[in-house]
Amino acid sequence: GDSVTQMEGPVTLSEEAFLTINCTYTATGYPSLFWYVQYPGEGLQLLLKATKADDKGSNKGFEATYRKETTSFHLEKGSVQVSDSAVYFCALREETSGSRLTFGEGTQLTVNP
Amino acid sequence: SAVISQKPSRDICQRGTSLTIQCQVDSQVTMMFWYRQQPGQSLTLIATANQGSEATYESGFVIDKFPISRPNLTFSTLTVSNMSPEDSSIYLCSVGSLAGQPQHFGDGTRLSIL
Repeated sequence: GDSVTQMEGPVTLSEEAFLTINCTYTATGYPSLFWYVQYPGEGLQLLLKATKADDKGSNKGFEATYRKETTSFHLEKGSVQVSDSAVYFCALREETSGSRLTFGEGTQLTVNP
Repeated sequence: SAVISQKPSRDICQRGTSLTIQCQVDSQVTMMFWYRQQPGQSLTLIATANQGSEATYESGFVIDKFPISRPNLTFSTLTVSNMSPEDSSIYLCSVGSLAGQPQHFGDGTRLSIL
């Protein structure tokens, strides 16, 4: 079945550091890929998405590229801010699986001033 | 994107009782889903709420424990029945429409059982 694997956390960085959160997936078809963010005490917000190979999703300085050859969708940001502290979830959606989302384990990011 | 309202936002309940969570969307949506997020964990799909028919449950979740209603294309409820401390979680409603398009989530219901 489908699965998503995220790098182990938590991740602690200083402000303005470079961020990478790794995400790899296993799917039988051609899934759409997403990054969601959950700020403390809140629900999930869509951060960015990519629907086909080589697509790059971007939002708020975050980027991720859909790499079919390595089945990866790593999240990057060139300069993190304290306000980026949150839990980040990688997810895939395969239409043959009833459009359900399969989530990774989540990565807790803490950015210190 | 759709605006999703969940009620209540949080609750503290006694074991053995039941709680119904409401999810209201400001536009008609094809698909509605219910997820559970246990403390410090990722999200697990409970079921897909189908308009006009019984919900489709994922493995490990049963209708007697998590009855779901979906009377129309903008509203759904999830009931957590006969609660125990193990049911303490965040319960989230999400909605989706077109293939490949993202699901959008409500703010969740934070449930604690004493």
